[in-house]
Amino acid sequence: GQQVMQIPQYQHVQEGEDFTTYCNSSTTLSNIQWYKQRPGGHPVFLIQLVKSGEVKKQKRLTFQFGEAKKNSSLHITATQTTDVGTYFCAGRRNNFNKFYFGSGTKLNVKP
Amino acid sequence: DAGITQSPRHKVTETGTPVTLRCHQTENHRYMYWYRQDPGHGLRLIHYSYGVKDTDKGEVSDGYSVSRSKTEDFLLTLESATSSQTSVYFCAISEPAGGHMNTEAFFGQGTRLTVV
Repeated sequence: GQQVMQIPQYQHVQEGEDFTTYCNSSTTLSNIQWYKQRPGGHPVFLIQLVKSGEVKKQKRLTFQFGEAKKNSSLHITATQTTDVGTYFCAGRRNNFNKFYFGSGTKLNVKP
Repeated sequence: DAGITQSPRHKVTETGTPVTLRCHQTENHRYMYWYRQDPGHGLRLIHYSYGVKDTDKGEVSDGYSVSRSKTEDFLLTLESATSSQTSVYFCAISEPAGGHMNTEAFFGQGTRLTVV
């Protein structure tokens, strides 16, 4: 079964609106990574979170790792059409370098 | 983009035939992975390798085998293809840095496989 749950599956927003996707794991994670996949493309690494309660920002993107290291979120402020794509979280447990991907959130931004 | 090449990029095959997908890297990364991507399931790990001749199963390994005889190549074989194996297959590589396992994965362009 899915090791890491991700919601929502789809999100349609008007350009300028905010967007958030959430990931949850039933077990504690060592770290979590976030990837973006443009339509027809391959996943591209965005960021990695390691510490409990960690918050990182990349311009309009804010990433959080929960205190219990079981959940994470990605928030985009004031979406742009260039943000279109599917966002995946990938959680790693204490098992070599094997990551379990969430099912992804597909973001569509209407201009 | 990292030096990862998947071949073929597209393939249509018949049920019951064997199929081999190839992933070739020029980065000398130790870890290599095969994922399949299906709507609603995200990326699911099939097999991975942590060195030459060192491989292990992922979440959805049934019906698949892998081989890694040299650092740069990781082969995924479908022994007898079934329609349920119609999917997009991605290869990925990563390399632990500074003794840490927490490193990003670089993905290939993907192989679209259709089993009819």
